[in-house]
Amino acid sequence: EAQVTQNPRYLITVTGKKLTVTCSQNMNHEYMSWYRQDPGLGLRQIYYSMNVEVTDKGDVPEGYKVSRKEKRNFPLILESPSPNQTSLYFCASSSGAFQEQYFGPGTRLTVT
Amino acid sequence: AQKVTQAQTEISVVEKEDVTLDCVYETRDTTYYLFWYKQPPSGELVFLIRRNSFDEQNEISGRYSWNFQKSTSSFNFTITASQVVDSAVYFCALRVPFSGGYNKLIFGAGTRLAVHP
Repeated sequence: EAQVTQNPRYLITVTGKKLTVTCSQNMNHEYMSWYRQDPGLGLRQIYYSMNVEVTDKGDVPEGYKVSRKEKRNFPLILESPSPNQTSLYFCASSSGAFQEQYFGPGTRLTVT
Repeated sequence: AQKVTQAQTEISVVEKEDVTLDCVYETRDTTYYLFWYKQPPSGELVFLIRRNSFDEQNEISGRYSWNFQKSTSSFNFTITASQVVDSAVYFCALRVPFSGGYNKLIFGAGTRLAVHP
């Protein structure tokens, strides 16, 4: 089954404790991206990747890092989480330009 | 600047009513795509439709229909004979060219639809 998986689905952590949210897709998609969803703001892009070892900042990259060492994986790293990073995070992948993005199930992160 | 506006924050209807969700977009690009996604209470994002800027034909899929009008930069979504299962947050999104050839997806703030029995 074609899918995008994210782990963990739920995470409660404390300020400053490094964490990684994993994202994996099994569709051999080149494009992957991370979004955060906040009330009243819709989804905003954090980082994206056009292919292995090719990543770039989206609209709200501050406080986040990503890496793309393999085509299927695109982890999101929070080196020192802060409460304003409490949000719902989505990973997405697509086969190419103008194609619909397939979204993962979401990761609800709470930073206290 | 590219922008998507969903002016309706919340809509509440009774089952079997028709409901239209508005979406207004801004872009200077001549080539772009518009999308609608559904987010049910379970939280996942479900793709509903994609429409490119060169195709202004309206589309109907069962109880769902979409009205794309470039003249007013709108891409409205109508649910006919709404059902409780239609209760969700609906997002309109605009895909525009971005640096390096990657196409950015810009979302509206979403409209929460509540359908009551």
